[in-house]
Amino acid sequence: GQQLNQSPQSMFIQEGEDVSMNCTSSSIFNTWLWYKQDPGEGPVLLIALYKAGELTSNGRLTAQFGITRKDSFLNISASIPSDVGIYFCAGGRAGNMLTFGGGTRLMVKP
Amino acid sequence: EPEVTQTPSHQVTQMGQEVILRCVPISNHLYFYWYRQILGQKVEFLVSFYNNEISEKSEIFDDQFSVERPDGSNFTLKIRSTKLEDSAMYFCASLLSGIYEQYFGPGTRLTVT
Repeated sequence: GQQLNQSPQSMFIQEGEDVSMNCTSSSIFNTWLWYKQDPGEGPVLLIALYKAGELTSNGRLTAQFGITRKDSFLNISASIPSDVGIYFCAGGRAGNMLTFGGGTRLMVKP
Repeated sequence: EPEVTQTPSHQVTQMGQEVILRCVPISNHLYFYWYRQILGQKVEFLVSFYNNEISEKSEIFDDQFSVERPDGSNFTLKIRSTKLEDSAMYFCASLLSGIYEQYFGPGTRLTVT
C-alpha cells in the first residue's frame, strides 16, 4: 500500500523556536493535508494544499505542496507551548481515503 | 461551527461481543469515513461511504466490519465479533463533496478485554 514517510518522528522545541517537519511518498497525491492531534482527541485540520508548488499559511503555520506532488513540509514559526502535540501529514485524492504519515511528536524542552 | 460527533467516547467490551460505534457527520457533508488508530501508531483508513454504499475499504475492513447510514444523520460502524486486536481509537470523518478536507470526530476508544 501507499506509505508516507514523515520526519522527524519527534522533536523538542523551546518557546520561540521555528519548527520544520516533512513528509515524502513514493506515490503522487492530489492533495496534502496537515493535522494536529492532542492526546485523546481526534485530528484537527490545520492546512490543506491542493496544487503542486502551492505555499499556504495559517497564522504561524506555513505548508508547501511539493512540485513532484510526492512531498510536503510544514513550518511553525515562533513556537509557543500550546504547539506541543502530534502533527500528521496526510495525502489524499478527492472523496477517497487519506493516507497518514507516522506523525511528528512535538515536545517542550525541559 | 459544525463538527463531527461520536458516541460513546469510550466502549469496553468482551472478546467475541458485537459493538456499534456511532457518528453524526457534519450535516451537509456527503462522504463519510471510518479510521482507526492503535495506541501510539498512525491513523489508518478503514472504509469510505458515499451515496449509501461503500466506495472504498482497506484490508483491515474484513467481514467482521460493516457500516450503515440508518437515517439522514447517523453513520455507524459495527464490529460483529470483537477481537483483542480491535482495541483502538476509532475516528469518524466527513467530507463535503468537491473538496478534499476531511473533518474528524473526537473518536471512540474501544477496549476489548
